[in-house]
Amino acid sequence: QKEVEQNSGPLSVPEGAIASLNCTYSDRGSQSFFWYRQYSGKSPELIMFIYSNGDKEDGRFTAQLNKASQYVSLLIRDSQPSDSATYLCAVFSYNQGGKLIFGQGTELSVKP
Amino acid sequence: DAGVIQSPRHEVTEMGQEVTLRCKPISGHNSLFWYRQTMMRGLELLIYFNNNVPIDDSGMPEDRFSAKMPNASFSTLKIQPSEPRDSAVYFCASSFEGQGNQPQHFGDGTRLSIL
Repeated sequence: QKEVEQNSGPLSVPEGAIASLNCTYSDRGSQSFFWYRQYSGKSPELIMFIYSNGDKEDGRFTAQLNKASQYVSLLIRDSQPSDSATYLCAVFSYNQGGKLIFGQGTELSVKP
Repeated sequence: DAGVIQSPRHEVTEMGQEVTLRCKPISGHNSLFWYRQTMMRGLELLIYFNNNVPIDDSGMPEDRFSAKMPNASFSTLKIQPSEPRDSAVYFCASSFEGQGNQPQHFGDGTRLSIL
């Protein structure tokens, strides 16, 4: 089992819809969870981080964390074509030597 | 504030040559990370430093790779000799680890092609 798993996609949603991106992780002791957006040919850009169970909202983005299920998700409301990118989930755990472990990323395509 | 600065942005060189990638972390950050990204393997951590000291180099593929951080504002990743399979995008990232698990901020990367 991979330490951090994401569906590679592509996930295709129409403009204005809600895009839901999911991530599961194997280390139950993980403490912090990050979502990065990466446009093609660009570097990863931090968009959200969450430490506690529940929801965290920032503009059109909502991160959801369920530690019991070892599951973290990112919702993008009112999706725009400019949201089309690869979204990387990253998980931090001291059990992993204090490193961020990245998933393979989910490619999101928002169709006008 | 300036972000993480990497140079060069692109490097094309022949197999067997030495390659040196450079990174300047965000001022005040005390942790620095080197990653490699390929289509096949995704984003892989090669090595990270905390307060200029290498903490974990378990991701360094082999002895051809070496990294240094002589001071808080500069790090290098060196490949000698380079091989075609080293072709990838190499990212440097930095964070402030005073409280532990802080977000990492990435540089623009170096696109490396070994012919």
